[in-house]
Amino acid sequence: ETGVTQSPTHLIKTRGQQVTLRCSSQSGHNTVSWYQQALGQGPQFIFQYYREEENGRGNFPPRFSGLQFPNYSSELNVNALELDDSALYLCASSPDSEKLFFGSGTQLSVL
Amino acid sequence: GDSVTQMEGPVTLSEEAFLTINCTYTATGYPSLFWYVQYPGEGLQLLLKATKADDKGSNKGFEATYRKETTSFHLEKGSVQVSDSAVYFCALPSLKSGYSTLTFGKGTMLLVSP
Repeated sequence: ETGVTQSPTHLIKTRGQQVTLRCSSQSGHNTVSWYQQALGQGPQFIFQYYREEENGRGNFPPRFSGLQFPNYSSELNVNALELDDSALYLCASSPDSEKLFFGSGTQLSVL
Repeated sequence: GDSVTQMEGPVTLSEEAFLTINCTYTATGYPSLFWYVQYPGEGLQLLLKATKADDKGSNKGFEATYRKETTSFHLEKGSVQVSDSAVYFCALPSLKSGYSTLTFGKGTMLLVSP
């Protein structure tokens, strides 16, 4: 049990739609990061938030955006969905230490 | 940029066999190195880490030694169990952005049969 909860667990969307994925972290975890894991691949870093400000971003287009809230919850938003966005999306939080706590992920399918 | 290369799977072993999963990396400087494990239907969990050259990380019978000269961090276990069946990821953090910004390998699936 990592204390990181993601919702929903599964989601099906159509190309061109928008989606919001949610993550709830443990109290005191000021850093949250999001990863995309395509089938058969390792997770790829999307972006990171620290105390509600984005402070790191991977090689993903601006249609991937996020928010972090004071209650240690966060969101990943993806606009104009493409077929290649189909993947497992992982949220990870950290209490400002070197240990990351991962959620179980949201499996997104884009048809 | 930073990159991690792992041996392709699946690795199929019988219970009590010896396990090696190879990992090599390319990075600027000398980052910490991690092994994460992903059990079916779950998120990633940190298995072990090493923070500097020649360090050995260990946990649950797994070991990995940080080899600067060969830029490697191979995962080993002397006697695997069925419960070790999972996907294993080698990873390193960004020196610029810190430990939450990880570069992962593609993962190696381990299947252990009784």
